[in-house]
Amino acid sequence: AQSVAQPEDQVNVAEGNPLTVKCTYSVSGNPYLFWYVQYPNRGLQFLLKYITGDNLVKGSYGFEAEFNKSQTSFHLKKPSALVSDSALYFCAVRDNAGNMLTFGGGTRLMVKP
Amino acid sequence: KAGVTQTPRYLIKTRGQQVTLSCSPISGHRSVSWYQQTPGQGLQFLFEYFSETQRNKGNFPGRFSGRQFSNSRSEMNVSTLELGDSALYLCASSLFELSTDTQYFGPGTRLTVL
Repeated sequence: AQSVAQPEDQVNVAEGNPLTVKCTYSVSGNPYLFWYVQYPNRGLQFLLKYITGDNLVKGSYGFEAEFNKSQTSFHLKKPSALVSDSALYFCAVRDNAGNMLTFGGGTRLMVKP
Repeated sequence: KAGVTQTPRYLIKTRGQQVTLSCSPISGHRSVSWYQQTPGQGLQFLFEYFSETQRNKGNFPGRFSGRQFSNSRSEMNVSTLELGDSALYLCASSLFELSTDTQYFGPGTRLTVL
């Protein structure tokens, strides 16, 4: 069975500092990895995905993520955090056998001025 | 292009009642998935439909059911509501049913069971 772990319930960072939100996964075969963000009382917004190719994936709003096959990780990063980045972030994985998209428990990012 | 729309946005029901939620996917998208989001259990997959056929089903009791119509619109139904069914129900659509396809989410329906 596939699974995703987001080891930090909350990440605190000062505005202007770099941020990292961690994600590790377990899946049979090649993983397809996704990051989503959720603002209060809203649905999930797609940020970026890794399918194949370059291990560094660039996405929306200046976010990027690094795929590391040996560590089975897909950490979300941003060089300079904004207060408006404060939200709930979800990592998700899907295998190449057509099974469902599986989400991690989410990480709340708090960016303080 | 208009995004995924879900109706109603908010719903209050009492235990034992049934409820139907509706989802209209992005135009041209043929796959629709449903998720339940609660503070305790997080995001849990309910089911996925493609071309009116259920492709995947999550680990929910039979009280939860869904269907997809020929225009790709989808509905989910919960019968005999329980207090624990209170949640945000999210619908997502994608172009096809491929694992590489991005799922785009609607704003959700907030269901409260009293």
